[in-house]
Amino acid sequence: KQEVTQIPAALSVPEGENLVLNCSFTDSAIYNLQWFRQDPGKGLTSLLLIQSSQREQTSGRLNASLDKSSGRSTLYIAASQPGDSATYLCAVTNNAGNMLTFGGGTRLMVKP
Amino acid sequence: DGGITQSPKYLFRKEGQNVTLSCEQNLNHDAMYWYRQDPGQGLRLIYYSQIVNDFQKGDIAEGYSVSREKKESFPLTVTSAQKNPTAFYLCASNNGGSWDTQYFGPGTRLTVL
Repeated sequence: KQEVTQIPAALSVPEGENLVLNCSFTDSAIYNLQWFRQDPGKGLTSLLLIQSSQREQTSGRLNASLDKSSGRSTLYIAASQPGDSATYLCAVTNNAGNMLTFGGGTRLMVKP
Repeated sequence: DGGITQSPKYLFRKEGQNVTLSCEQNLNHDAMYWYRQDPGQGLRLIYYSQIVNDFQKGDIAEGYSVSREKKESFPLTVTSAQKNPTAFYLCASNNGGSWDTQYFGPGTRLTVL
């Protein structure tokens, strides 16, 4: 059974710092990997989706990488801002393409 | 305004009662999903439906039931058989392919008193 782990569970950084969030998964037979953002008490917003054949995706100050063979992904946030404060979740899609398995999330706080 | 709506935002029920959570989408998506989120944890899949009148169990379907009579609607019933129903429930939809990200509703927080 696929298991997804995110480290650290919580992170607090000063504004302007570059930071890396980590995600690992146990079964490398995935179709894609996604990073989501969740604000308190709200739904999820998709940030980046990396297909299994891709190595990375970029959107603005966000860059996500995928190493499928080692079961790892990282989300890099450049020049962090207080507005980046949220919980970041990674999720992998199984090869059948019909199920997402989520990690427990990293709660990020960026202090002004 | 296209999107996914869930109602109500907060729901309280007494132990032993069934309760139905609403999920509606106007994105013309084929697939819809229900997830449960507990504090400090990721989302766990309860049920999903890839087409009208068909649905499949996810990882934690026990104590829940769903129907998919219309493309735009996928209600979730939390039955009295669900031993620990207090949680945040999220509905999502997409075009049914793994190439398409899932779009999430705002969630319903259910509290059992």
